[in-house]
Amino acid sequence: DQQVKQNSPSLSVQEGRISILNCDYTNSMFDYFLWYKKYPAEGPTFLISISSIKDKNEDGRFTVFLNKSAKHLSLHIVPSQPGDSAVYFCAARGAGNTPLVFGKGTRLSVIA
Amino acid sequence: DAGITQSPRHKVTETGTPVTLRCHQTENHRYMYWYRQDPGHGLRLIHYSYGVKDTDKGEVSDGYSVSRSKTEDFLLTLESATSSQTSVYFCAISAQGQGVNSPLHFGNGTRLTVT
Repeated sequence: DQQVKQNSPSLSVQEGRISILNCDYTNSMFDYFLWYKKYPAEGPTFLISISSIKDKNEDGRFTVFLNKSAKHLSLHIVPSQPGDSAVYFCAARGAGNTPLVFGKGTRLSVIA
Repeated sequence: DAGITQSPRHKVTETGTPVTLRCHQTENHRYMYWYRQDPGHGLRLIHYSYGVKDTDKGEVSDGYSVSRSKTEDFLLTLESATSSQTSVYFCAISAQGQGVNSPLHFGNGTRLTVT
């Protein structure tokens, strides 16, 4: 029973264009959502987060949108750069210190 | 790398042998985690610790045990390795659990192959 779903295993985008990575969740008790980025042979690194009291959070080229009614969040990268090519993991957490639940990841390729 | 060292970085072992992976942190963070990453499965939590000698099971804990005798070290042991435990193992730390202001910081992983 997958609580966090990233239905696109891969995404290819041209440099300079927008990348949109999607994530759906099933647990209505989740209240905190994060995106991590992972390069080969390295550990995941934290990118951006959003709590359930917000519907948007922006950090430079990265914006996360949360639609609670649809149980859907998305990560927008504008403009996309070749260095953004990586695997992106969506993660979610319930109240308190319950551990994060991760999606399976989406591999983003930004083509120059 | 947020002061996290995983050792070894690579290991090949035979089915049935015991294996211990080590995670060492220099951040004095209370919470430590072990995840495994497999194609088609993403990151799955094996065990975690919320203090010295305080541990709990994650989603895929069968076949694994952990120990934390010091704040800085979190050991993951496979008592009798199986081929299904071939994976990349990541250690992660956080200061306040996985709270809003305390995202996880990951080590660079240990690639384990069980033949």
